[in-house]
Amino acid sequence: QVQLVESGGGLVKPGGSLRLSCAASGFTFSDYFMSWIRQAPGKGLEWLSYISPSGTSIYYADSVKGRFTISRDNDKKSLYLQMHSLRAEDTAIYYCARTFLSIVVEPAAIYFDHWGQGTLVTVSS
Amino acid sequence: QSVLTQPPSVSAAPGQKVTISCSESSSNIGNNYVSWYQQLPGTAPKLLIYDNNKRPSGIPDRFSGSKSGTSATLGITGLQTGDEADYYCGTWDSSLSAVVFGGGTKLTVL
Repeated sequence: QVQLVESGGGLVKPGGSLRLSCAASGFTFSDYFMSWIRQAPGKGLEWLSYISPSGTSIYYADSVKGRFTISRDNDKKSLYLQMHSLRAEDTAIYYCARTFLSIVVEPAAIYFDHWGQGTLVTVSS
Repeated sequence: QSVLTQPPSVSAAPGQKVTISCSESSSNIGNNYVSWYQQLPGTAPKLLIYDNNKRPSGIPDRFSGSKSGTSATLGITGLQTGDEADYYCGTWDSSLSAVVFGGGTKLTVL
């Protein structure tokens, strides 16, 4: 069965950095787009980034562009999110999600069919 | 502010039917497909509906999706107390080149 397990969350000071990991199993990781999505405490979902199966196509939300970097290691079946210049508003649960994507032609389609349990990132002094 | 607008909350009695709307405020979303997610308290979101009206394997047919013009709707029939959750719609915004989610709707089964 598909399993996604995030790790690497924790408490970090404003301006600090953190690297999140997502270990995948139960499917051919190298065949799928993958995404990071976060949820601030008591708030809704916010998509952050996706990466193509080969890693050559990457998109970011404006809120994290230039500060966060998504990457993957298909040999290790792992997805990563390197976060820099963290702010209090980055405090959230961070989820990795297996992603289906078809956006070249309309109607575009994107959905997240499997999610990890999330890892909490707290940015506070 | 989300470009997809959902009612903050809906409620209905067990066994009844409820609908949750998801309205697009941006013309950049156009005909793009909408997906729906259920988030039970303290858990990760779960895909309920994709491509406007398709259900993944394992999702009961009590859950349905539809889209007309700039609005999508999630329908849930035969409500159960276990359906109490937050529900989110999502889609691709072609102008932003980004995924957008609605603000979420809290379902209470009275």
